[in-house]
Amino acid sequence: DQQVKQNSPSLSVQEGRISILNCDYTNSMFDYFLWYKKYPAEGPTFLISISSIKDKNEDGRFTVFLNKSAKHLSLHIVPSQPGDSAVYFCAFIENAGNNRKLIWGLGTSLAVNP
Amino acid sequence: NAGVMQNPRHLVRRRGQEARLRCSPMKGHSHVYWYRQLPEEGLKFMVYLQKENIIDESGMPKERFSAEFPKEGPSILRIQQVVRGDSAAYFCASSRVAGIKNIQYFGAGTRLSVL
Repeated sequence: DQQVKQNSPSLSVQEGRISILNCDYTNSMFDYFLWYKKYPAEGPTFLISISSIKDKNEDGRFTVFLNKSAKHLSLHIVPSQPGDSAVYFCAFIENAGNNRKLIWGLGTSLAVNP
Repeated sequence: NAGVMQNPRHLVRRRGQEARLRCSPMKGHSHVYWYRQLPEEGLKFMVYLQKENIIDESGMPKERFSAEFPKEGPSILRIQQVVRGDSAAYFCASSRVAGIKNIQYFGAGTRLSVL
C-alpha cells in the first residue's frame, strides 16, 4: 500500500538551472508535508515543510508547492548547485495535530552537474 | 555538536544473536523516533517514544523487536534473535516537542548486517 510515490528515481540537472522534484500521494488525511535531503552514509536532513492550509512555502533557493486537489507536492531548487546532489525524500504526516509518524517516499536521486 | 548521536555506526551480528542500537537525542529533545530503511526502499516508521513511554509502536514487528527510552540514558532499539531480513539501516530522530511544526532531526544511522 504505497501512499506516497516519487515516480522519478533519479534526476540530472545542469548547475544554475532549476531542479523540480515531485511527489504524489493518495491519503487525503495527510496535513503536513516535508522534504528531507540525504547524503550517502548520513541521516536525512530537514529542508522545508508546508502545512495543508498553504499552497507555497519558500526558503532561500528552496520552494515547496502543494496542490491538494491533485494530491501533488513538489520541491523547486533554483539555482541548483553541485552541493545539492543528494537523495531527496518527501515525507508526510497524517493528522499532524495528534500524530508524529512520518510516511516517506522512496526518494529521488538528484545529480547537479557543474 | 549536539546533534542526534547513534551508535554503533555499523553492527555485524550472526543469525540468532541480539542487536542493541543506541540513540542519544539532541539536547533538550524529549521525543525519539526510530525508522528502518531496507535496501532499495524508503524509510519506514517503527516506533515513537517519549521519556519512559511508548507513544506509537504501530510500525514495530510483533516479535523480537522492542524499544525503550528510559528516564536517564539513551533510547535503545533491541532486536532479539536477528535474521538476515533484519539487515538494514536504522535511523533515530528526535524532536523537542510534539507540535505540528515540530521537526524531527535525524542521526547518521546504524547499519546492521546479519551474517
